[in-house]
Amino acid sequence: DTGVSQDPRHKITKRGQNVTFRCDPISEHNRLYWYRQTLGQGPEFLTYFQNEAQLEKSRLLSDRFSAERPKGSFSTLEIQRTEQGDSAMYLCASSLDDNLNTIYFGEGSWLTVV
Amino acid sequence: AQSVTQPDIHITVSEGASLELRCNYSYGATPYLFWYVQSPGQGLQLLLKYFSGDTLVQGIKGFEAEFKRSQSSFNLRKPSVHWSDAAEYFCAGGVIGNEKLTFGTGTRLTIIP
Repeated sequence: DTGVSQDPRHKITKRGQNVTFRCDPISEHNRLYWYRQTLGQGPEFLTYFQNEAQLEKSRLLSDRFSAERPKGSFSTLEIQRTEQGDSAMYLCASSLDDNLNTIYFGEGSWLTVV
Repeated sequence: AQSVTQPDIHITVSEGASLELRCNYSYGATPYLFWYVQSPGQGLQLLLKYFSGDTLVQGIKGFEAEFKRSQSSFNLRKPSVHWSDAAEYFCAGGVIGNEKLTFGTGTRLTIIP
């Protein structure tokens, strides 16, 4: 395991469809974060997990978004009824507990809603 | 409110010239600070980070940054830029007890021959 893996790297979907992104963190990392980055902006925090527990959700995470980490390992981020405004890069990061010195980001998943 | 500000949206530098990218922070406590670089369509690559100790931090690719508490700044510097340094640069901050990073809006660096 050499880093945080995200899949798919790119996704083009039609408006109204559902999409799901997967993140595999560094194996010993028990914290997992999701960020969203729109064009021309810095990444913005969406949510994070400590093991399987989702501990905080940003108000950016509308009802159409749901994130899970069922076994405390990989995580999924699902967007239902996608809208054009959902077009962005979705970044996953992981860390060991709250030690920000150990945080690593994945390569991101690009979503284009047409 | 906790925030990270990058005042410069876009900077153009000649190849071989020195570079300084500005980052200002606003936190109640001493933050942990990071600089990331992002090429188009790619993820974030960590250049360097400051947690404590020496306020001058060395990073990869010849970059360094200096933490200045009195100025609430963490500016990124490089003595001589290369064409391959053209990218988007992000400053980010976090504090223990607030388990997320706050990013600036980024500075796009263009290198001219």
